[in-house]
Amino acid sequence: LAKTTQPISMDSYEGQEVNITCSHNNIATNDYITWYQQFPSQGPRFIIQGYKTKVTNEVASLFIPADRKSSTLSLPRVSLSDTAVYYCLVVNQNTGGFKTIFGAGTRLFVKA
Amino acid sequence: KAGVTQTPRYLIKTRGQQVTLSCSPISGHRSVSWYQQTPGQGLQFLFEYFSETQRNKGNFPGRFSGRQFSNSRSEMNVSTLELGDSALYLCASSSDTGAPGNTIYFGEGSWLTVV
Repeated sequence: LAKTTQPISMDSYEGQEVNITCSHNNIATNDYITWYQQFPSQGPRFIIQGYKTKVTNEVASLFIPADRKSSTLSLPRVSLSDTAVYYCLVVNQNTGGFKTIFGAGTRLFVKA
Repeated sequence: KAGVTQTPRYLIKTRGQQVTLSCSPISGHRSVSWYQQTPGQGLQFLFEYFSETQRNKGNFPGRFSGRQFSNSRSEMNVSTLELGDSALYLCASSSDTGAPGNTIYFGEGSWLTVV
């Protein structure tokens, strides 16, 4: 099972771009990388998922280098409401189910 | 379509009691997994069910159990509650079609306080 490592916390200002990098050195061939956002007292919310190169949706971009040992979540022009904990998750669902292991997550604090 | 629904949202129990939490997955999703989240331990995987069978299990004592019904709804039970069981219990579902990259979607959780 791939273990993930992220920075414990990050600070930013409104309007800035925020990049959060996650390390997953022992990622397996069939593993996908998924990022979640969690606000206090709520369940994690899906942000974006990718396998390699770059994925973009309406809220974020995900950059994955060729070796896939890390990934970077990019949040363009953050606002105060983006203050939350962000989790990087590596999941393999090709082997009869999955056993997800969450890291500690990154606490992003956006200031005015 | 509706997301993952968990009930109850909040509950208070006394040490030694047992508790049952319920989860209704997203329509069409057959995989349901459960997690415990505490300030000290973060998000920890409890177990995963698929087609009424437990497929994977985390490192929790036998007091923590679960089951899944034929309609994919799931329940988890904690017996002989301890103060340390106070946590947010999260349920998540996935379509698990066998294709790689199935996304896991979470419910809002059930807050359990043991006094």
